Amino acid sequence: GIQVEQSPPDLILQEGANSTLRCNFSDSVNNLQWFHQNPWGQLINLFYIPSGTKQNGRLSATTVATERYSLLYISSSQTTDSGVYFCAVDYSNSGYALNFGKGTSLLVTP
Amino acid sequence: EPEVTQTPSHQVTQMGQEVILRCVPISNHLYFYWYRQILGQKVEFLVSFYNNEISEKSEIFDDQFSVERPDGSNFTLKIRSTKLEDSAMYFCASLGQTEAFFGQGTRLTVV
Repeated sequence: GIQVEQSPPDLILQEGANSTLRCNFSDSVNNLQWFHQNPWGQLINLFYIPSGTKQNGRLSATTVATERYSLLYISSSQTTDSGVYFCAVDYSNSGYALNFGKGTSLLVTP
Repeated sequence: EPEVTQTPSHQVTQMGQEVILRCVPISNHLYFYWYRQILGQKVEFLVSFYNNEISEKSEIFDDQFSVERPDGSNFTLKIRSTKLEDSAMYFCASLGQTEAFFGQGTRLTVV
């Protein structure tokens, strides 16, 4: 099956700092999504981005499908950005199921 | 904004008991999913459901698991005889035109 590797596994930032999270995947994909899992365990959709670049406030994402990676940028980080960020790519052609990476655990300190 | 809702939010059950986790997907979505996340680990795919039948399932989804769409709105996951290792957060999701939306999860604790 398709492999999804995320880096770094852990990240500690001071409030106001910027960061880049990376997701590498082993095969071509039809779907790539970034999620934020908050401290209560909820999975929040950030981006649907199988290719190209999108921005939403302080967050932006870029996927270079031909090179099989995606980047999530967080600018001017806030303590509420803490949590785990997951990249997920489609699992199969028949059910559009998502295969998740192991995530990047982000802690933003005041 | 439409959302996927799951009940209960937390369930504690004794080993060997049957549990049913419930989900109401977004109404005009056609694909439905169950995923699980063991504490501290990544989210794992269990099963996808389309047109009233399973379209894909993972190795985790063995004979103790079953899914059902008993009416036009609910989507359920049944675990027949729970084991300690079934303790996890279970997420329901439904697929729109392009992206999947997840419910808030049911935390299952098997004791």
